[in-house]
Amino acid sequence: DAGVIQSPRHEVTEMGQEVTLRCKPISGHDYLFWYRQTMMRGLELLIYFNNNVPIDDSGMPEDRFSAKMPNASFSTLKIQPSEPRDSAVYFCASSLRPRGDTIYFGEGSWLTVV
Amino acid sequence: AQSVTQPDIHITVSEGASLELRCNYSYGATPYLFWYVQSPGQGLQLLLKYFSGDTLVQGIKGFEAEFKRSQSSFNLRKPSVHWSDAAEYFCAVGADNQGGKLIFGQGTELSVKP
Repeated sequence: DAGVIQSPRHEVTEMGQEVTLRCKPISGHDYLFWYRQTMMRGLELLIYFNNNVPIDDSGMPEDRFSAKMPNASFSTLKIQPSEPRDSAVYFCASSLRPRGDTIYFGEGSWLTVV
Repeated sequence: AQSVTQPDIHITVSEGASLELRCNYSYGATPYLFWYVQSPGQGLQLLLKYFSGDTLVQGIKGFEAEFKRSQSSFNLRKPSVHWSDAAEYFCAVGADNQGGKLIFGQGTELSVKP
């Protein structure tokens, strides 16, 4: 399997612009996660889906952030409008089962907002 | 609330020396415990995981970890470190009643001296 695929790998955008990050989970995995990694806060879970349905979005920082999973093989994380403090690495991850199963991470989308 | 503490932000060891990275967790329920490794510019790769049973678990790349319930610890060890082990290491905890959520520690950066 190709693993979790994220795009873009790197993005530099200006403050106020819309940013869309994309993710293709591993085929057959029912759980999809979006994490954010920063120096200050480490790895934080933003939201996760089960069978395309958002289960827990308590980690989404504010209304500027939204995530969708229109089908089992695709998810987006959108930031609108973007701000410099959104600069971070955004990881998508997927797993087969919810309890104790290995979560497989993509290589991340490195976002810089200037 | 559950939490994971990795007391050491940065550790330097000599190549060939033994390694122990500390991880303490706080959680009332039965935890699932993980160690992930992140090389620069890469995503997270699972080293090993503990669900139940034998408290000493073996992972990839010669790593092992021991779950000690009485100490709420899950320390990672390797008997002889290789230069390629230089990376950041994350301990994470999940639980039955948390769906697929993992809570990550802040990470320990490992440097290896020749």
